[in-house]
Amino acid sequence: EAQVTQNPRYLITVTGKKLTVTCSQNMNHEYMSWYRQDPGLGLRQIYYSMNVEVTDKGDVPEGYKVSRKEKRNFPLILESPSPNQTSLYFCASSFSGGAGREQFFGPGTRLTVL
Amino acid sequence: AQKVTQAQTEISVVEKEDVTLDCVYETRDTTYYLFWYKQPPSGELVFLIRRNSFDEQNEISGRYSWNFQKSTSSFNFTITASQVVDSAVYFCALSGVYNQGGKLIFGQGTELSVKP
Repeated sequence: EAQVTQNPRYLITVTGKKLTVTCSQNMNHEYMSWYRQDPGLGLRQIYYSMNVEVTDKGDVPEGYKVSRKEKRNFPLILESPSPNQTSLYFCASSFSGGAGREQFFGPGTRLTVL
Repeated sequence: AQKVTQAQTEISVVEKEDVTLDCVYETRDTTYYLFWYKQPPSGELVFLIRRNSFDEQNEISGRYSWNFQKSTSSFNFTITASQVVDSAVYFCALSGVYNQGGKLIFGQGTELSVKP
């Protein structure tokens, strides 16, 4: 089954404790990205990757890191989480990075930073 | 700058009523794409429709229909004879050819509650 998976689905942590949210897709997609969803703000892009070893900032990259060492994986790293990073996070992938491509979203990761 | 506005934060209807969710967008791109996603209470994002800027034909899919009007920069979504299962948050999104990669610009979302 074609899908985007994220782990963990739920996470409660404390300020400053490094964490990684994993994202994996099995569709051989080139393009992957991370969004965060906050009430009243919709979803905003954090980082994206056009292909292996090619990553770039989205609209809200502060406090996050990403890497793309393999085509299927695109982990989101919070080196020192803070309470304002409490949010619902979505990973997405598409065949390529062109406009209009349908993006397939993971199930979401709900992160709480105390 | 690109922007999507969903002015209706919450809508509540009774089952079988028709309901329209508004979406207004701003872009300087001449080529762009518009999307609607549904987010049910379980939280996942479900793709509903994609439209490109050159196709202004309205689309109907079962009880769902979409009205795209470039003259008013709107891409409204109508649910006919709403059902309780339609209760969800609905997002309108925009993707322009000059966006970073294929970045989606989302509206704030409209929470639809359909009561029995």
